[in-house]
Amino acid sequence: DMKVTQMPRYLIKRMGENVLLECGQDMSHETMYWYRQDPGLGLQLIYISYDVDSNSEGDIPKGYRVSRKKREHFSLILDSAKTNQTSVYFCASSRVEQYFGPGTRLTVL
Amino acid sequence: AQSVTQPDARVTVSEGASLQLRCKYSYFGTPYLFWYVQYPRQGLQLLLKYYPGDPVVQGVNGFEAEFSKSNSSFHLRKASVHWSDWAVYFCAVSYNRIFFGDGTQLVVKP
Repeated sequence: DMKVTQMPRYLIKRMGENVLLECGQDMSHETMYWYRQDPGLGLQLIYISYDVDSNSEGDIPKGYRVSRKKREHFSLILDSAKTNQTSVYFCASSRVEQYFGPGTRLTVL
Repeated sequence: AQSVTQPDARVTVSEGASLQLRCKYSYFGTPYLFWYVQYPRQGLQLLLKYYPGDPVVQGVNGFEAEFSKSNSSFHLRKASVHWSDWAVYFCAVSYNRIFFGDGTQLVVKP
Protein backbone atom coordinates (compact mmCIF):
# COMPACT_ATOMS: atom_id res chain seq x y z
CA ASP A 1 0.00 0.00 0.00
CA MET A 2 1.47 3.34 -1.07
CA LYS A 3 1.53 5.63 1.90
CA VAL A 4 3.04 8.85 3.21
CA THR A 5 2.79 9.34 6.95
CA GLN A 6 3.33 12.45 9.03
CA MET A 7 3.90 12.87 12.74
CA PRO A 8 2.60 14.55 14.73
CA ARG A 9 -0.75 15.45 13.21
CA TYR A 10 -1.28 18.40 15.53
CA LEU A 11 1.31 20.43 17.41
CA ILE A 12 1.22 23.55 19.57
CA LYS A 13 4.49 25.30 20.40
CA ARG A 14 5.53 28.59 21.93
CA MET A 15 7.50 31.16 20.00
CA GLY A 16 11.21 30.42 20.23
CA GLU A 17 10.82 26.68 20.77
CA ASN A 18 12.27 24.17 18.34
CA VAL A 19 9.94 22.11 16.19
CA LEU A 20 10.52 18.76 14.51
CA LEU A 21 8.07 17.46 11.92
CA GLU A 22 8.59 13.96 10.61
CA CYS A 23 7.57 12.30 7.38
CA GLY A 24 7.83 8.72 6.18
CA GLN A 25 7.06 6.90 2.95
CA ASP A 26 6.97 3.23 2.02
CA MET A 27 7.38 3.54 -1.76
CA SER A 28 11.18 3.87 -1.92
CA HIS A 29 10.76 7.20 -3.71
CA GLU A 30 13.99 9.13 -4.08
CA THR A 31 12.35 12.56 -4.11
CA MET A 32 10.52 14.03 -1.17
CA TYR A 33 9.09 17.48 -0.46
CA TRP A 34 7.92 19.75 2.32
CA TYR A 35 5.16 22.29 1.69
CA ARG A 36 3.18 24.67 3.82
CA GLN A 37 -0.40 25.66 3.18
CA ASP A 38 -2.01 28.69 4.77
CA PRO A 39 -5.81 29.10 5.00
CA GLY A 40 -7.40 29.62 1.62
CA LEU A 41 -4.06 29.49 -0.14
CA GLY A 42 -2.25 27.02 -2.30
CA LEU A 43 0.91 25.10 -1.55
CA GLN A 44 4.26 26.78 -0.98
CA LEU A 45 7.35 24.63 -1.49
CA ILE A 46 9.84 24.79 1.38
CA TYR A 47 12.43 22.13 0.52
CA ILE A 48 13.03 19.28 -1.92
CA SER A 49 15.13 16.24 -1.18
CA TYR A 50 16.44 14.24 -4.14
CA ASP A 51 17.82 11.44 -1.95
CA VAL A 52 19.74 10.93 1.28
CA ASP A 53 21.72 14.08 2.15
CA SER A 54 20.78 15.70 -1.18
CA ASN A 55 18.48 18.59 -0.33
CA SER A 56 17.61 21.79 -2.16
CA GLU A 57 15.80 24.92 -1.16
CA GLY A 58 12.34 25.48 -2.49
CA ASP A 59 10.54 28.78 -2.77
CA ILE A 60 10.32 29.70 0.93
CA PRO A 61 13.22 28.02 2.80
CA LYS A 62 13.94 30.84 5.23
CA GLY A 63 13.41 29.78 8.83
CA TYR A 64 13.42 26.07 8.00
CA ARG A 65 15.94 23.31 7.58
CA VAL A 66 15.60 19.67 6.66
CA SER A 67 17.29 16.36 7.29
CA ARG A 68 17.21 13.18 5.26
CA LYS A 69 19.40 10.37 6.58
CA LYS A 70 17.31 7.48 5.27
CA ARG A 71 15.46 7.35 1.98
CA GLU A 72 12.13 6.67 3.68
CA HIS A 73 12.33 9.52 6.20
CA PHE A 74 12.41 13.28 5.70
CA SER A 75 12.32 15.73 8.60
CA LEU A 76 11.48 19.43 8.71
CA ILE A 77 13.05 21.45 11.51
CA LEU A 78 12.10 24.89 12.73
CA ASP A 79 14.81 26.35 14.96
CA SER A 80 13.22 28.94 17.23
CA ALA A 81 9.72 28.88 15.80
CA LYS A 82 7.93 32.12 14.96
CA THR A 83 4.24 32.90 15.08
CA ASN A 84 4.15 33.42 11.31
CA GLN A 85 5.15 29.77 10.90
CA THR A 86 1.71 28.74 12.11
CA SER A 87 0.42 26.70 9.19
CA VAL A 88 -0.42 23.26 7.89
CA TYR A 89 2.65 21.40 6.69
CA PHE A 90 2.47 18.69 4.07
CA CYS A 91 5.07 16.17 3.10
CA ALA A 92 5.03 14.44 -0.28
CA SER A 93 7.09 11.88 -2.16
CA SER A 94 7.25 11.16 -5.85
CA ARG A 95 8.64 9.24 -8.72
CA VAL A 96 6.58 11.33 -11.16
CA GLU A 97 3.22 12.13 -9.54
CA GLN A 98 3.35 13.20 -5.93
CA TYR A 99 1.80 11.35 -3.02
CA PHE A 100 0.89 13.50 -0.04
CA GLY A 101 0.74 12.87 3.66
CA PRO A 102 -2.25 13.94 5.78
CA GLY A 103 -0.55 17.07 7.05
CA THR A 104 0.65 18.46 10.37
CA ARG A 105 -1.28 21.39 11.79
CA LEU A 106 1.28 23.55 13.64
CA THR A 107 0.31 26.44 15.89
CA VAL A 108 3.04 28.71 17.24
CA LEU A 109 1.83 30.88 20.11
CA ALA B 1 9.12 29.78 -16.80
CA GLN B 2 6.88 26.90 -15.89
CA SER B 3 3.61 27.87 -14.28
CA VAL B 4 0.03 26.82 -13.82
CA THR B 5 -2.98 29.14 -13.78
CA GLN B 6 -6.39 28.24 -12.46
CA PRO B 7 -8.44 31.30 -13.38
CA ASP B 8 -11.43 30.49 -11.18
CA ALA B 9 -10.86 30.70 -7.45
CA ARG B 10 -14.36 29.40 -6.78
CA VAL B 11 -16.92 27.56 -8.89
CA THR B 12 -20.49 26.85 -7.77
CA VAL B 13 -22.57 24.15 -9.45
CA SER B 14 -25.82 22.43 -8.63
CA GLU B 15 -25.76 18.78 -7.70
CA GLY B 16 -26.29 16.71 -10.81
CA ALA B 17 -25.04 19.42 -13.15
CA SER B 18 -21.93 19.11 -15.26
CA LEU B 19 -18.63 20.63 -14.24
CA GLN B 20 -15.57 22.09 -15.88
CA LEU B 21 -12.62 23.43 -13.92
CA ARG B 22 -10.12 25.33 -15.99
CA CYS B 23 -6.36 25.00 -15.99
CA LYS B 24 -3.80 26.72 -18.21
CA TYR B 25 -0.15 25.85 -18.08
CA SER B 26 3.02 27.45 -19.29
CA TYR B 27 5.66 24.94 -20.30
CA PHE B 28 8.21 24.66 -23.10
CA GLY B 29 7.73 21.09 -24.25
CA THR B 30 5.29 18.27 -23.59
CA PRO B 31 4.45 18.20 -19.93
CA TYR B 32 3.21 15.75 -17.43
CA LEU B 33 -0.01 17.17 -15.98
CA PHE B 34 -2.06 16.31 -12.94
CA TRP B 35 -5.25 17.13 -11.11
CA TYR B 36 -5.37 16.73 -7.36
CA VAL B 37 -8.30 17.06 -4.96
CA GLN B 38 -8.13 18.23 -1.36
CA TYR B 39 -11.04 17.50 0.95
CA PRO B 40 -11.34 19.55 4.14
CA ARG B 41 -8.54 18.95 6.63
CA GLN B 42 -6.87 16.34 4.43
CA GLY B 43 -3.84 16.12 2.18
CA LEU B 44 -3.96 16.24 -1.59
CA GLN B 45 -5.07 13.13 -3.45
CA LEU B 46 -4.29 12.39 -7.07
CA LEU B 47 -7.40 12.47 -9.26
CA LEU B 48 -5.80 11.82 -12.62
CA LYS B 49 -2.58 12.21 -14.55
CA TYR B 50 -1.61 12.94 -18.13
CA TYR B 51 1.48 11.43 -19.68
CA PRO B 52 2.00 12.20 -23.39
CA GLY B 53 -0.47 10.11 -25.37
CA ASP B 54 -4.26 10.08 -25.49
CA PRO B 55 -5.34 13.69 -24.77
CA VAL B 56 -8.37 12.61 -22.74
CA VAL B 57 -7.54 10.89 -19.49
CA GLN B 58 -9.92 9.25 -17.07
CA GLY B 59 -9.63 9.58 -13.33
CA VAL B 60 -11.39 8.41 -10.23
CA ASN B 61 -15.04 9.08 -9.37
CA GLY B 62 -16.08 9.94 -12.96
CA PHE B 63 -13.60 12.76 -13.49
CA GLU B 64 -11.79 13.20 -16.77
CA ALA B 65 -9.49 15.84 -18.20
CA GLU B 66 -8.51 16.86 -21.69
CA PHE B 67 -5.04 18.01 -22.69
CA SER B 68 -4.79 20.62 -25.42
CA LYS B 69 -1.33 21.58 -26.61
CA SER B 70 -2.65 24.32 -28.87
CA ASN B 71 -4.52 25.96 -25.99
CA SER B 72 -1.97 25.05 -23.29
CA SER B 73 -4.87 23.77 -21.25
CA PHE B 74 -5.78 20.78 -19.12
CA HIS B 75 -9.39 21.27 -18.07
CA LEU B 76 -11.10 18.94 -15.63
CA ARG B 77 -14.64 17.74 -16.34
CA LYS B 78 -17.35 15.71 -14.72
CA ALA B 79 -20.73 14.91 -16.25
CA SER B 80 -22.77 14.92 -13.04
CA VAL B 81 -21.50 16.48 -9.82
CA HIS B 82 -22.23 14.89 -6.44
CA TRP B 83 -22.33 16.73 -3.12
CA SER B 84 -19.27 14.74 -2.04
CA ASP B 85 -17.25 16.47 -4.76
CA TRP B 86 -17.23 19.64 -2.63
CA ALA B 87 -13.47 20.22 -2.28
CA VAL B 88 -10.52 22.22 -3.57
CA TYR B 89 -9.04 21.09 -6.87
CA PHE B 90 -5.43 21.73 -7.85
CA CYS B 91 -3.93 21.50 -11.30
CA ALA B 92 -0.20 20.79 -11.54
CA VAL B 93 2.55 20.50 -14.17
CA SER B 94 5.72 18.48 -13.70
CA TYR B 95 9.14 19.68 -14.83
CA ASN B 96 12.05 18.73 -12.56
CA ARG B 97 9.63 19.55 -9.78
CA ILE B 98 5.87 19.92 -9.72
CA PHE B 99 4.31 23.37 -10.03
CA PHE B 100 0.83 23.73 -8.57
CA GLY B 101 -1.91 26.19 -9.40
CA ASP B 102 -3.57 28.12 -6.61
CA GLY B 103 -6.58 25.81 -6.57
CA THR B 104 -10.29 26.11 -7.36
CA GLN B 105 -12.85 25.73 -4.59
CA LEU B 106 -15.82 23.72 -5.85
CA VAL B 107 -19.10 24.44 -4.07
CA VAL B 108 -22.00 22.08 -4.72
CA LYS B 109 -25.53 23.46 -4.28
CA PRO B 110 -28.29 21.00 -3.34
